[in-house]
Amino acid sequence: GQSLEQPSEVTAVEGAIVQINCTYQTSGFYGLSWYQQHDGGAPTFLSYNALDGLEETGRFSSFLSRSDSYGYLLLQELQMKDSASYFCAVSGGYQKVTFGTGTKLQVIP
Amino acid sequence: DVKVTQSSRYLVKRTGEKVFLECVQDMDHENMFWYRQDPGLGLRLIYFSYDVKMKEKGDIPEGYSVSREKKERFSLILESASTNQTSMYLCASSFSLAGGRYEQYFGPGTRLTVT
Repeated sequence: GQSLEQPSEVTAVEGAIVQINCTYQTSGFYGLSWYQQHDGGAPTFLSYNALDGLEETGRFSSFLSRSDSYGYLLLQELQMKDSASYFCAVSGGYQKVTFGTGTKLQVIP
Repeated sequence: DVKVTQSSRYLVKRTGEKVFLECVQDMDHENMFWYRQDPGLGLRLIYFSYDVKMKEKGDIPEGYSVSREKKERFSLILESASTNQTSMYLCASSFSLAGGRYEQYFGPGTRLTVT
């Protein structure tokens, strides 16, 4: 089976940098994804890492270490609109994605 | 623009009723998924389908069934609703891709309350 661990809540100041960590245990692993979900909204895809290293997309970056079964999402120049829940998710076989329990990010002025 | 729609945003049903939740996607995606989302538990996979008339159990299939008669439509059925099925239900779809980049597109969700 698959299990993922991520912090339940993180608070950060507007303009700062925040890192949301994710560790996983899985019986089959293709890669790690991140999704964002605003309150009352649907999850939306942010990034995907299949290989070790850092992937950058604007203010957001995502990192993967396959040997450590660990990844993180890095948000820079935080804005109030970044307040949301962030889910890491592992891709396994059969087109399945298993989601973590989510990290609620609160950005404060 | 990818669009995944769900039949209702809010639904209130009584214990023991049969409940149908419908999901339609317009991107010709092969795969469709049903999740439920509960506070502190994240998104848990109920069922998924990788082709018409094909279905696979997810992590929490008990008390649910699904139907996929057309590629664009995936239905979740609660045969006899119970109060512990009160939840937010999210439908998603994706292309079948190699390499694990299973980018999923989600519908807006149906908040189901069973009384």
